[in-house]
Amino acid sequence: EDQVTQSPEALRLQEGESSSLNCSYTVSGLRGLFWYRQDPGKGPEFLFTLYSAGEEKEKERLKATLTKKESFLHITAPKPEDSATYLCAVNYGGATNKLIFGTGTLLAVQP
Amino acid sequence: NAGVTQTPKFRVLKTGQSMTLLCAQDMNHEYMYWYRQDPGMGLRLIHYSVGEGTTAKGEVPDGYNVSRLKKQNFLLGLESAAPSQTSVYFCASRDRTNTEAFFGQGTRLTVV
Repeated sequence: EDQVTQSPEALRLQEGESSSLNCSYTVSGLRGLFWYRQDPGKGPEFLFTLYSAGEEKEKERLKATLTKKESFLHITAPKPEDSATYLCAVNYGGATNKLIFGTGTLLAVQP
Repeated sequence: NAGVTQTPKFRVLKTGQSMTLLCAQDMNHEYMYWYRQDPGMGLRLIHYSVGEGTTAKGEVPDGYNVSRLKKQNFLLGLESAAPSQTSVYFCASRDRTNTEAFFGQGTRLTVV
C-alpha cells in the first residue's frame, strides 16, 4: 500500500538552529515527491518537486533531498517566519498527479 | 491575479442538508482537484478532473459528487451532509505540463 510518513510531528527550534524534517515513503514507482508549506488557515503552498534519488533543490533557507526511500527538508539558520506546517506528498497517479500526503511536521521557530 | 478561489470560506450545515462548494481558477489550468483535510489524517483526494466535462473518483469519494461544466470551475456537492463530512476542504489546480499545484484558501465545513 502506498504510504507517506513524516517525522517528527512537531519541532521547535531557536532562531538560527538548523535541523531537518523527514518524509519516508512506500510507493510502487515514484513519479514525483512534493514538499508544501501550509500556514494556519491557508492552503498549502508549493515548495519543491523531486523526481529521482540524489536530486536536490534549494530555496532560500530550505533544501530538499531525495533518496530511494525518503526525503529530507533541511532548514538552515531558520527565522520565525519559517514557522509553518510542512507537508510531503508523493504522486501515485502518473500524469494525473494524484497525491498521497503525509500528516505534516509543525515547525515553530522561536526568536 | 486571484489564482484559486473557494466559496464559501465557512459553512455550518445540519445533518441531511445539501450544499455545493465552488472552486474557481483563473490560470486556464486543465487539472483540478478536491481534497479534504482532517486532523491526523493529512490531505485526502476526494475527486479530480483532467479537463472540462470530465471527472474521476479519488481516495475518498463516497458522499460527494462533482461537476466540471466549465474549465475554470470545479464544483463539489454534498447531497445529504453527515457529521463525518465535517472537515476543511481544499481545491487545487495545475497546468497539464507543470507538476506545481496551486491550492485555494479552503472551506471550513461543520455538519451538526
